[in-house]
Amino acid sequence: GAVVSQHPSWVICKSGTSVKIECRSLDFQATTMFWYRQFPKQSLMLMATSNEGSKATYEQGVEKDKFLINHASLTLSTLTVTSAHPEDSSFYICSPIAGGPYEQYFGPGTRLTVT
Amino acid sequence: GQQLNQSPQSMFIQEGEDVSMNCTSSSIFNTWLWYKQDPGEGPVLLIALYKAGELTSNGRLTAQFGITRKDSFLNISASIPSDVGIYFCAGFNTDKLIFGTGTRLQVFP
Repeated sequence: GAVVSQHPSWVICKSGTSVKIECRSLDFQATTMFWYRQFPKQSLMLMATSNEGSKATYEQGVEKDKFLINHASLTLSTLTVTSAHPEDSSFYICSPIAGGPYEQYFGPGTRLTVT
Repeated sequence: GQQLNQSPQSMFIQEGEDVSMNCTSSSIFNTWLWYKQDPGEGPVLLIALYKAGELTSNGRLTAQFGITRKDSFLNISASIPSDVGIYFCAGFNTDKLIFGTGTRLQVFP
């Protein structure tokens, strides 16, 4: 149980374009979704928290107009990186919560490279 | 954002050796978790600790929740090559996880 998928697993895009990353919880419903960003050799940094049907809450320093999060259903959340720049190149990981606060699972991640 | 400090930053050990790593925080947490991350993948939960002083094992892994609730350690006994990876501690703070800086483990045969 608790299978989380992300698509795509990796993507290369040109500077200025937008990229959408999908995160699906395959065998459970996620009322809350966390999105993390991880730069090479660094830890996971929380970008935003979203609850199904509500607007996402962004961490300090994360631009909400640049990183658009949609959590329209209990099994699907998307992160769109708009007008991507090379400094947005990173590993993006989604993390849905299945039930209580301790049932947090992680997706396999999406490697974004902006050229 | 807030982070937990892990030590050591990296470890190079021989297969069969025991490993110990620590995680400290300036803040109190009510839950501590330990994750392992393989290259290019998301973290996988190893052990969860819910009570100060709690000592929990999962196979060759043992972790303890510090009595002050500001630290935790993870031990790996009799390391094997597949233990290679990055180990993260994480503290649960009200409504979100705060991750540690990570300990990179290399195991040589």
